[in-house]
Amino acid sequence: GAGVSQTPSNKVTEKGKYVELRCDPISGHTALYWYRQSLGQGPEFLIYFQGTGAADDSGLPNDRFFAVRPEGSVSTLKIQRTERGDSAVYLCASSLTGTSGDTQYFGPGTRLTVL
Amino acid sequence: SQQGEEDPQALSIQEGENATMNCSYKTSINNLQWYRQNSGRGLVHLILIRSNEREKHSGRLRVTLDTSKKSSSLLITASRAADTASYFCATDAPDTGRRALTFGSGTRLQVQP
Repeated sequence: GAGVSQTPSNKVTEKGKYVELRCDPISGHTALYWYRQSLGQGPEFLIYFQGTGAADDSGLPNDRFFAVRPEGSVSTLKIQRTERGDSAVYLCASSLTGTSGDTQYFGPGTRLTVL
Repeated sequence: SQQGEEDPQALSIQEGENATMNCSYKTSINNLQWYRQNSGRGLVHLILIRSNEREKHSGRLRVTLDTSKKSSSLLITASRAADTASYFCATDAPDTGRRALTFGSGTRLQVQP
């Protein structure tokens, strides 16, 4: 596609529920990143994929968060037992090679609200 | 703590004026990037400056980098109302090999028409 797309654009859920957020990177980009952005703050890194494997998941806050990229393209961020503190905008980015200095192209984000 | 910290947190100027935003960081970097974000969504990459560069230009944007002071500045000349947005600096961390970016908390720029 022309850019990174994310679905849904908005997700409202209740505390304790399970949610899945989807990211479609730019075609041909091998690196994919998930970030989380709270109101008034900059994005915070969650996880980085190189191809199908999670090369760095050190930003995931706890084991309720999990992400996959089974075919090296689309990625899904999964959050179990959601908490109100999980409310944020979840941003996905992709880059061509994942090397240092490679421009990361961001999607529009999914705004998650946990009631 | 944030690797990149921008100041000021908010800036309001008149159209036609120049806007300067600053970023400080703590650890060594490979490069520093500036991003723009409208309405809390979709960051747009503006410019990247490498650690061995001191200044870079792109259109109305001018970025400087001082690695001895661990700081960078973004200058937008002849600002327009359409420049109203939040601006973030982002760094990578060569010592850890991480490819993810570390963002500051941003400067919210308001350009009054």
